[in-house]
Amino acid sequence: DTGVSQDPRHKITKRGQNVTFRCDPISEHNRLYWYRQTLGQGPEFLTYFQNEAQLEKSRLLSDRFSAERPKGSFSTLEIQRTEQGDSAMYLCASSLGAYSYNEQFFGPGTRLTVL
Amino acid sequence: AQTVTQSQPEMSVQEAETVTLSCTYDTSENNYYLFWYKQPPSRQMILVIRQEAYKQQNATENRFSVNFQKAAKSFSLKISDSQLGDTAMYFCAFRSGTYKYIFGTGTRLKVLA
Repeated sequence: DTGVSQDPRHKITKRGQNVTFRCDPISEHNRLYWYRQTLGQGPEFLTYFQNEAQLEKSRLLSDRFSAERPKGSFSTLEIQRTEQGDSAMYLCASSLGAYSYNEQFFGPGTRLTVL
Repeated sequence: AQTVTQSQPEMSVQEAETVTLSCTYDTSENNYYLFWYKQPPSRQMILVIRQEAYKQQNATENRFSVNFQKAAKSFSLKISDSQLGDTAMYFCAFRSGTYKYIFGTGTRLKVLA
C-alpha cells in the first residue's frame, strides 16, 4: 500500500495560465475527494467522486475548475486562467466504501503559487 | 449548514505533560462522525482518532482520547504523555451522510523539550 500520491508537489505558474494536478488514490478505494487549503485555514471541500461519477461539487469550484476521474482510478483537477487567489494547497483524499465512519486518507498535496 | 470551530490557534505543552485541544461544532443532524487529524510540518494529514455520534463512550487510541459531549456539541482531544513527534497542526473534522469533511481552522501544537 503506497498511500495516496499527488503530482506535482509544487507548481508555480503565471496568472492566466492553465494548470493540471493529478491524484492517485489507494488502489481499492472507490471514493476520491479534492480539498483546498489556504494558509491558516483548514481544508475546504471542493468535489468528490464515487468511482468515475462526480457526485458533489462545492460552490468554491468555479467554472474555471474542472475535475475528472476516468475509469474510476486516478483523478485530475484542472484550473483554467489561474488567478492569484487560486494560490493554495490542493489536497486529494480517498476512502473505501459507502460508510461515513470510513476515514479519508490524504495525499501530501500540491502547493500552487500563482504569480 | 454545519460549522466546526477550533478556538485555540496555537498551544504548547512540555514533553510528557497532558494537553487538551478544543473543538465545537454546529449541526442539526443526529447521525454524524467526528475526527481529529494531525498534519505534521510538510507532511500529509493522518487520522488520530474518530468518534461516532451515536456512541456515548468516548473513543481512545493509546495516548489520545476524546471528550465527546453531544448535547454541548463539543469534541475535545486530550493528548497524554506528549512527545516531540506530536508537534503538528491538529484539525477537528465533522462528517455526515454527504461524506465530505468539514474542517475547523486548526490548532498548532508545539511540544517543548
